[in-house]
Amino acid sequence: DAKTTQPPSMDCAEGRAANLPCNHSTISGNEYVYWYRQIHSQGPQYIIHGLKNNETNEMASLIITEDRKSSTLILPHATLRDTAVYYCIASYSGGYQKVTFGTGTKLQVIP
Amino acid sequence: NAGVTQTPKFQVLKTGQSMTLQCAQDMNHEYMSWYRQDPGMGLRLIHYSVGAGITDQGEVPNGYNVSRSTTEDFPLRLLSAAPSQTSVYFCASSYVGSEQYFGPGTRLTVT
Repeated sequence: DAKTTQPPSMDCAEGRAANLPCNHSTISGNEYVYWYRQIHSQGPQYIIHGLKNNETNEMASLIITEDRKSSTLILPHATLRDTAVYYCIASYSGGYQKVTFGTGTKLQVIP
Repeated sequence: NAGVTQTPKFQVLKTGQSMTLQCAQDMNHEYMSWYRQDPGMGLRLIHYSVGAGITDQGEVPNGYNVSRSTTEDFPLRLLSAAPSQTSVYFCASSYVGSEQYFGPGTRLTVT
């Protein structure tokens, strides 16, 4: 799996959009970008994933650059409950895989 | 569906004791994995399995054994516990190449 790089921490005002960046400059053509988050000490929770097109679901939007070397997770209207550690992962879409997590970005939503 | 279940939730061991952390999933997922998370750190992959009878090592396998005799269960064995194994342990499962579902974790303290 390609290595990903994320800022260690970010702040966002409640109600504003939170934009979390991820660099994955060595990603290969068949690796998807996945995002998870971990609230307090709970198990991580899947948010969204994509290959090369922008994706949106009820939780977030994922913007992947055309060269696929970076992506941004967007939480459109951050709430206090979005305070969590967010992990960006590059992972193969099929076949056997070994999925590893980095240290993620600690997002603090401020009232 | 119960999803991914882990037992016990908490455990205290003395150095040198052995124990098995249990993980089960009822989603018929082929892929299962074990992670450990030390305080303030990201998740590190211990072992993973892509199907019954198939296991492989992750980033930090030393001191841990696994087996996968059924699709549903993926126990993690500590043969001789050490204080360095004090951590929170998460089990996860997924279809191969798809998003992972995590259990609630087992908090292990080795004294």
